[in-house]
Amino acid sequence: EPEVTQTPSHQVTQMGQEVILRCVPISNHLYFYWYRQILGQKVEFLVSFYNNEISEKSEIFDDQFSVERPDGSNFTLKIRSTKLEDSAMYFCASSSGQGLVSGANVLTFGAGSRLTVL
Amino acid sequence: GQNIDQPTEMTATEGAIVQINCTYQTSGFNGLFWYQQHAGEAPTFLSYNVLDGLEEKGRFSSFLSRSKGYSYLLLKELQMKDSASYLCAVRRGGGGNKLTFGTGTQLKVEL
Repeated sequence: EPEVTQTPSHQVTQMGQEVILRCVPISNHLYFYWYRQILGQKVEFLVSFYNNEISEKSEIFDDQFSVERPDGSNFTLKIRSTKLEDSAMYFCASSSGQGLVSGANVLTFGAGSRLTVL
Repeated sequence: GQNIDQPTEMTATEGAIVQINCTYQTSGFNGLFWYQQHAGEAPTFLSYNVLDGLEEKGRFSSFLSRSKGYSYLLLKELQMKDSASYLCAVRRGGGGNKLTFGTGTQLKVEL
């Protein structure tokens, strides 16, 4: 079964350092997302990406965050200067569509990258 | 904005049936999803409702009433491996595929 792969699975960094989290979405999917989940809290939307541009972002996704699709397969999330409160599990997801058709709009999530900021 | 409510925890017995409720308030509605999440793992898709009624997929069924802002997930013939968090997520209308998740219901299946 096709899957979304994420690297690294766990990263520990010092406050103020830059972090890049990498994702390889499912190959025929066109819509890409980042979500995060702080330990014990709910899954929160960060950003959606389509056709090489951000289509929607949340208030969490401030100037410290950026996303990029540097080639035909990778989708990255960069945090420029990490803060303690950025410690969370970051999930990448992808979907083939976003309409009402069942299946096309289902988000498939990767296993996550756990970020720990010290 | 959006508000999604689910019970925090539920306990059920192996082999039994359990119903996990979700109520939501949203400005515009464009579908409700149920995901399963085991501790430390990714959410995995269970079911999707956009029209009123029941969707059945094997041991799992999901129901939606848009007029009441209400959904439930029904799990039959519970197995120990069903112990997990069950996440209700709402997609708002107006384009895009952003999901807003509830806090999840932690289900514990006991012998």
